[in-house]
Amino acid sequence: GAVVSQHPSWVICKSGTSVKIECRSLDFQATTMFWYRQFPKQSLMLMATSNEGSKATYEQGVEKDKFLINHASLTLSTLTVTSAHPEDSSFYICSARAPSPTQYFGPGTRLLVL
Amino acid sequence: AQTVTQSQPEMSVQEAETVTLSCTYDTSENNYYLFWYKQPPSRQMILVIRQEAYKQQNATENRFSVNFQKAAKSFSLKISDSQLGDTAMYFCAFTRAQSYNTDKLIFGTGTRLQVFP
Repeated sequence: GAVVSQHPSWVICKSGTSVKIECRSLDFQATTMFWYRQFPKQSLMLMATSNEGSKATYEQGVEKDKFLINHASLTLSTLTVTSAHPEDSSFYICSARAPSPTQYFGPGTRLLVL
Repeated sequence: AQTVTQSQPEMSVQEAETVTLSCTYDTSENNYYLFWYKQPPSRQMILVIRQEAYKQQNATENRFSVNFQKAAKSFSLKISDSQLGDTAMYFCAFTRAQSYNTDKLIFGTGTRLQVFP
């Protein structure tokens, strides 16, 4: 149980385009979902927290207009990287939490912006 | 503010041996949860073990066990009978208990564990 999927697993795009990443909780309803960014050999950096039906809460330094988060249902959250640039290339990970303290993570999305 | 510290950037252990990864944290909260996650080369974050601060008994999951010392704010992970598949980055993490529905995980910097045959 507690499976989280993420799609796509990797994406290459041209600079200036937008990329959408989906995060789904497959066998539970997620009251809260989180989006992280991870640089090589580093820990996870929280970007934002989203609750179903409400606006996401962004961490300090994360551009809201750059990283659009939509938590449309209890099983789906999306992260859209708008007008992507090479510096946005990274590994993006989502996690989902049911009414419990444990976060379950998706497999991550590798984004490369050319 | 809560902080999590992992003072061992890298560790290695021979297959079938036992290894202990260290984690300390700082908080003024009395109720909270602690976690160990592993991230193998696939980069999938996998929950290893969870400890509730109000429980005195140390959590155990098969070959993985913790030594939770609340007064010392220490939360170490012991891996027994190490296997090659245990090779991964291990992250210690903390979350408060009062509002865990929205509270974020505070991660340590990680310990890279290499298991040698």
